Amino acid sequence: GAVVSQHPSWVICKSGTSVKIECRSLDFQATTMFWYRQFPKQSLMLMATSNEGSKATYEQGVEKDKFLINHASLTLSTLTVTSAHPEDSSFYICSARASMWRPGRPFRDTQYFGPGTRLTVL
Amino acid sequence: TQLLEQSPQFLSIQEGENLTVYCNSSSVFSSLQWYRQEPGEGPVLLVTVVTGGEVKKLKRLTFQFGDARKDSSLHITAAQPGDTGLYLCAGDNAIGQASYDKVIFGPGTSLSVIP
Repeated sequence: GAVVSQHPSWVICKSGTSVKIECRSLDFQATTMFWYRQFPKQSLMLMATSNEGSKATYEQGVEKDKFLINHASLTLSTLTVTSAHPEDSSFYICSARASMWRPGRPFRDTQYFGPGTRLTVL
Repeated sequence: TQLLEQSPQFLSIQEGENLTVYCNSSSVFSSLQWYRQEPGEGPVLLVTVVTGGEVKKLKRLTFQFGDARKDSSLHITAAQPGDTGLYLCAGDNAIGQASYDKVIFGPGTSLSVIP
């Protein structure tokens, strides 16, 4: 199956610093990537959707100036948490999708999830 | 706004028992997926259901998509400790022309199978 990697797998940083998380599709080209965050014992909450070469679309309540997303290539998307604070501590998960909706198809290609990045802000 | 609900939220059973997890919505989805997630890892896709009334089996797991494509169920037969995890349903909002379609996740069902 398709493989999506994330780097780093975990990171600990001081309050006020910025942290960059990378999401890579290893064996397919991902025109669309999604970023989620997950708090303990809760479900995945979509933060933003990014399409290669265009600006990300952020979900309501997600600060786009704080969570910078760059999807510069078909295999790489990055999420930068700027001026991180303890409340930003969470499990961040990315997913990648190979193609977009096309007429005649009942659903698009499957999302493949990365292993997640545990961010702890002290 | 689509909203997926799952029940039960938590489930603790003995090894060998059967269980069913439900996923419900007031909206129609083009497809619905079930994922299993273990602590500290990303979700792993179990199945995608597309057609209303569809039933899919994966070893001891049976998945059903409601006729109206608004709900789904996951039934596990003879649960084993290895089935322990967070089970997530997710609806694919693929109806429409927008390029920024998204997948909506349910709140999850945390399953614990006791040996």
